[in-house]
Amino acid sequence: EADIYQTPRYLVIGTGKKITLECSQTMGHDKMYWYQQDPGMELHLIHYSYGVNSTEKGDLSSESTVSRIRTEHFPLTLESARPSHTSQYLCASRGQTYNEQFFGPGTRLTVL
Amino acid sequence: GEDVEQSLFLSVREGDSSVINCTYTDSSSTYLYWYKQEPGAGLQLLTYIFSNMDMKQDQRLTVLLNKKDKHLSLRIADTQTGDSAIYFCAEDNQGGKLIFGQGTELSVKP
Repeated sequence: EADIYQTPRYLVIGTGKKITLECSQTMGHDKMYWYQQDPGMELHLIHYSYGVNSTEKGDLSSESTVSRIRTEHFPLTLESARPSHTSQYLCASRGQTYNEQFFGPGTRLTVL
Repeated sequence: GEDVEQSLFLSVREGDSSVINCTYTDSSSTYLYWYKQEPGAGLQLLTYIFSNMDMKQDQRLTVLLNKKDKHLSLRIADTQTGDSAIYFCAEDNQGGKLIFGQGTELSVKP
């Protein structure tokens, strides 16, 4: 069982609000990732981090930002939410061996 | 560039075998993965195969890798209704990132 957590699981919010999606893992993994999953199922990497104070943008451009101040915590922030941000956001972390990429349960965000 | 392709839908009857196919483009991938996603949940790692292997079996799951054709398949024996989910193929691009396919929605009919 993977020890990676996301909160909230579901969020409905109005346009223009600032939101932070939380992701935490207790496995001591250095690598962490944020994916955006469209209703059509495909996953898009939007941010990743290889350790504390390291953050990179992923393959899909996103208006969100991330921070990595602690190894176990990788929050994602939207300064001003818009309906186009409505999606499922999945956090993942990865250990040293190649079979260890674990996903959190996801946050389903709806912006009205 | 890197790309992973899967068919979008597969429907089988309970008790039959399911075969989900995937093609990838990065020949330097060292590991290839199969993930399962149930409704409303995150992705669960089902199995993986190292690129120097042709086949890996794990209970009802068999992974076949044809490295020459860059083709990966997942066979589920004796498919059950609980196997209904979306299955994602992914390759490791050696840069610490996984490249995912679009996902195959498996529907198991009783």
